[in-house]
Amino acid sequence: EIVLTQSPGTLSLSPGERATLSCRASQGVSGNFLAWYQQKPGQAPRLLIYGASSRATGIPDRFSGSGSGTDFTLTISSLEPEDFAVYYCQQYDRSLTFGPGTKVDIK
Amino acid sequence: EVQLVQSGAEVKKPGESLKISCKGSGYSFTSYWIGWVRQMPGKGLEWMGIIYPGDSNAKYSPSFQGQVTISADKSISTAYLQWSSLKASDTAMYYCVRPRGWPNCFDIWGQGTMVTISS
Repeated sequence: EIVLTQSPGTLSLSPGERATLSCRASQGVSGNFLAWYQQKPGQAPRLLIYGASSRATGIPDRFSGSGSGTDFTLTISSLEPEDFAVYYCQQYDRSLTFGPGTKVDIK
Repeated sequence: EVQLVQSGAEVKKPGESLKISCKGSGYSFTSYWIGWVRQMPGKGLEWMGIIYPGDSNAKYSPSFQGQVTISADKSISTAYLQWSSLKASDTAMYYCVRPRGWPNCFDIWGQGTMVTISS
């Protein structure tokens, strides 16, 4: 099973700042089969990024994904108030697993 | 509009059985896999399993194999998640999800069904 580790656990930033979230896999994720989700309190998760770097429908371009192999990054170029949430990575190369999440909160 | 609409919150006792549902609309129900994700209180996301309603082919995460049953009734575009004997540790929010294919990420999520198990 591919285990995903996300860092940091919590990221405290101010609106307008850049957020950089990391997702590391225990084994290489082939085909860049990695996705990112955003979850706000009381809501279902929402797909942001698939294929490591493709934005899902309707996702603003301040969200971008990069990386390959075992190291992946989600970047939010300039935080908006509605971006404070928990972010999960997920691999779908071998079966399917989620990372533990990174909480982005207001500094 | 593609939607997954789940059944309402449930409160059950340990040892009881339960079946929750997820109705798909706005797309060809038999052409897409549909799955379930668990989120325990204050915790992360766990994939439980998935089914292809076209032929009822189901796959389970090893962590949930034998613990739950996933089924689908294509005549009413509805998928189900079922327990035969609930435990307190089954207390969680359960989301149904539709992936872009299989295996793949989940682009459509239901609103969630909260299941509370308490004596």
